[in-house]
Amino acid sequence: DVKVTQSSRYLVKRTGEKVFLECVQDMDHENMFWYRQDPGLGLRLIYFSYDVKMKEKGDIPEGYSVSREKKERFSLILESASTNQTSMYLCASTLGQGATDTQYFGPGTRLTVL
Amino acid sequence: GQNIDQPTEMTATEGAIVQINCTYQTSGFNGLFWYQQHAGEAPTFLSYNVLDGLEEKGSFSSFLSRSKGYSYLLLKELQMKDSASYLCAVMDSNYQLIWGAGTKLIIKP
Repeated sequence: DVKVTQSSRYLVKRTGEKVFLECVQDMDHENMFWYRQDPGLGLRLIYFSYDVKMKEKGDIPEGYSVSREKKERFSLILESASTNQTSMYLCASTLGQGATDTQYFGPGTRLTVL
Repeated sequence: GQNIDQPTEMTATEGAIVQINCTYQTSGFNGLFWYQQHAGEAPTFLSYNVLDGLEEKGSFSSFLSRSKGYSYLLLKELQMKDSASYLCAVMDSNYQLIWGAGTKLIIKP
């Protein structure tokens, strides 16, 4: 079974803090994704990565950056957290880039920025 | 723009059948996914349709009509554990997933 883990289930930070969210997958998947999920909205893609040290902007990259130094690990960084970044953050991975490649999700990190 | 529409919430009775609809307008089409998400948990994969027609998988089925930009997920013999949100997602011509906001299904005894 694919396992995707995220460093924290719940996180509370203050405005202006730098925040690191970590995601690790154990199935040698090529692709990794960071989404945020807000009530009434579909999952919105922040960044994704198709290979180590590669990153691509998603639909809402502003205020975020990412790092993929190792194949199994994909980090999301909030350089200076703001209250509008309070959200559920979901990490996902896929084996390849084909249409049938299922996304496997981590359990999510619920981030609150005060 | 790209758009996925699905009802916000539906209610059904234990043992009954429910149909959750999804309509989409996307730039290109490389398949439609349904995911289940229990409250506070990660979405998990249910089905993938790329050709028109009905795909049956035991207690649920998924249907696709590409010409109508329409899909539905049919859940049969509902159990309380089926209470969850059901997410519809379409893969566009760039192989990017466009997600609907999800349908929260409430099952009553």
